[in-house]
Amino acid sequence: VRLVESGGGLVKPGGSLRLSCAASGFTFSSYCMNWVRQAPGKGLEWVSSISSSSSYIYYADSVKGRFTISRDNAKNSLFLQMDSLRDDDTAVYYCARGGNSGYQKDNWFDPWGQGTLVTVSS
Amino acid sequence: QSVLTQPPSASGTPGQRVTISCSGSSSSIGSNYVFWYQHLPGTAPKVLIYRNDQRPSGVPDRFSGSKSGTSASLAISGLRSEDEADYYCASWDGSLSGWVFGGGTKLTVL
Repeated sequence: VRLVESGGGLVKPGGSLRLSCAASGFTFSSYCMNWVRQAPGKGLEWVSSISSSSSYIYYADSVKGRFTISRDNAKNSLFLQMDSLRDDDTAVYYCARGGNSGYQKDNWFDPWGQGTLVTVSS
Repeated sequence: QSVLTQPPSASGTPGQRVTISCSGSSSSIGSNYVFWYQHLPGTAPKVLIYRNDQRPSGVPDRFSGSKSGTSASLAISGLRSEDEADYYCASWDGSLSGWVFGGGTKLTVL
């Protein structure tokens, strides 16, 4: 089971970035997926979750209206479109697999990818 | 400020037992499972405890979790140097319709 994030980089405030997470080693289409971030010197912060069929999507209040989570089950890929980026969006962004049965809230994040760094700065 | 409250630091000597607390609310821990993650800087976080007190295969039985009301605890017995890491509790919050994490506890093995 492997998750590999990509797409991070340096972007100016107000700009956009699209993160990708390539999944392998499991039936991607059966699992919920999540994005979690960690700002420099700070703790883990949940960003967004998406159910296996994209029917249920959730966002943290801090990113609602600016970020869009999506997935392509045919390509075993998870995405995070980040618009109107702000300085405080600077963080390492991790994708993490959720559960494949029951409610999203009852399942844990495992495994996690190694993360991709997003830096928002002028 | 995190929705779940953890002490910022904890410490112990090799062989000791340490506990890390996690305090939430009725809409988070009070009505949902608690999960614990271990994070070593520069690596991917790893689940230590799921559904309050369950240990994934491969996690040593030195790690144990418990929950009571709106609080939870992670206990580590027989402390080892490799346990030095950041530990996070997490739970679903029904009021927020999202996951919440504690601020993290940095464990130092003296």
